[in-house]
Amino acid sequence: KAGVTQTPRYLIKTRGQQVTLSCSPISGHRSVSWYQQTPGQGLQFLFEYFSETQRNKGNFPGRFSGRQFSNSRSEMNVSTLELGDSALYLCASSLAEGAYEQYFGPGTRLTVT
Amino acid sequence: LAKTTQPISMDSYEGQEVNITCSHNNIATNDYITWYQQFPSQGPRFIIQGYKTKVTNEVASLFIPADRKSSTLSLPRVSLSDTAVYYCLVGAKNAGNMLTFGGGTRLMVKP
Repeated sequence: KAGVTQTPRYLIKTRGQQVTLSCSPISGHRSVSWYQQTPGQGLQFLFEYFSETQRNKGNFPGRFSGRQFSNSRSEMNVSTLELGDSALYLCASSLAEGAYEQYFGPGTRLTVT
Repeated sequence: LAKTTQPISMDSYEGQEVNITCSHNNIATNDYITWYQQFPSQGPRFIIQGYKTKVTNEVASLFIPADRKSSTLSLPRVSLSDTAVYYCLVGAKNAGNMLTFGGGTRLMVKP
């Protein structure tokens, strides 16, 4: 069974721009969560989607948004990029909503200049 | 969500058994204990999950004492490829709670 895939793997953007990251979960998994990882703050939860609905949201500004499609694929968008948004963005999928057994993708490394 | 405390770093040598202990004094009755492993520039990987006593899989063993206020992840005969950060998480199995990762334990395996 194919794992979680994320595209693109690497991205360089300029301050003020916006970016969209994509995540394809493991087949059959309906829950997708997004995390941001930085050296200073570690792994932080962004949001979780299940059946196309946002179920949980972490403590991030409204510039961070996401959505989930009917095939469970998910996208996250960051508008008006700031230098501090440079991070590894990880997507994880699971069978059940809020499951502690989650399967992570390789991440998208976003650099904001 | 129960707070967890684990050592910041540990060193070991190839072939040794490594035990990483996690403290979770305020664990709730319906909380499970889950461990993840993360290599540099990769997403975390689920290792093992347990509720009480002992759980073993092909990768590791998880020991949980009767009071459940701590747990120990045991990695038998580590190799250089086990060098990674190990995270202990505590929470209800499917309660809609997002994963909360602490600082983790950075394990360095030396030849």
